[in-house]
Amino acid sequence: AQSVTQLGSHVSVSEGALVLLRCNYSSSVPPYLFWYVQYPNQGLQLLLKYTSAATLVKGINGFEAEFKKSETSFHLTKPSAHMSDAAEYFCAVRTQGAQKLVFGQGTRLTINP
Amino acid sequence: DAMVIQNPRYQVTQFGKPVTLSCSQTLNHNVMYWYQQKSSQAPKLLFHYYDKDFNNEADTPDNFQSRRPNTSFCFLDIRSPGLGDAAMYLCATSRVDAGGRGTQYFGPGTRLLVL
Repeated sequence: AQSVTQLGSHVSVSEGALVLLRCNYSSSVPPYLFWYVQYPNQGLQLLLKYTSAATLVKGINGFEAEFKKSETSFHLTKPSAHMSDAAEYFCAVRTQGAQKLVFGQGTRLTINP
Repeated sequence: DAMVIQNPRYQVTQFGKPVTLSCSQTLNHNVMYWYQQKSSQAPKLLFHYYDKDFNNEADTPDNFQSRRPNTSFCFLDIRSPGLGDAAMYLCATSRVDAGGRGTQYFGPGTRLLVL
């Protein structure tokens, strides 16, 4: 069965600092991986996705993620945090042929001025 | 703009009083999903429709039902809401191809309060 682990339920960084949100997956077949962002009282917005093409994926709002098969990781990064990045971030995995997503528990990102 | 729409954004109901949440999409996606999300938790899939085929999750309570009268609309019915059903309900859609590939796009959610 597929699973996703997000290391750190809360991450706090200073404005302008590097953002690193960690995601490790477990899948017996090549996965499709996603990062979603959720602002308070909103739905989930797709940030980026990995679908077996380039291992470095660029998304919206300056975020990117790198798929590392050897480490079973798909960490999300942004070089310089902005106050507007404060939100909940979810990593999710979907295997080929499956219509369902398996979500990690989420990481709440706080930006300090 | 093509999008997923949920109405209402906030719904208040009484304990035991049936309530219906609605979702519509202009994306012409073939799969529609309903998730329940409680505070500080990940979304939990309740069920999904692949075209007209209904797929229930094994742990979804019988209290939760769904209808999809056409491609564009999908409804979540809670027959007898309990206090524990207070949550954010998220609708998502996806265009799934023959290989099972597709990306889910979410609506803004409906926050349900049960009094």
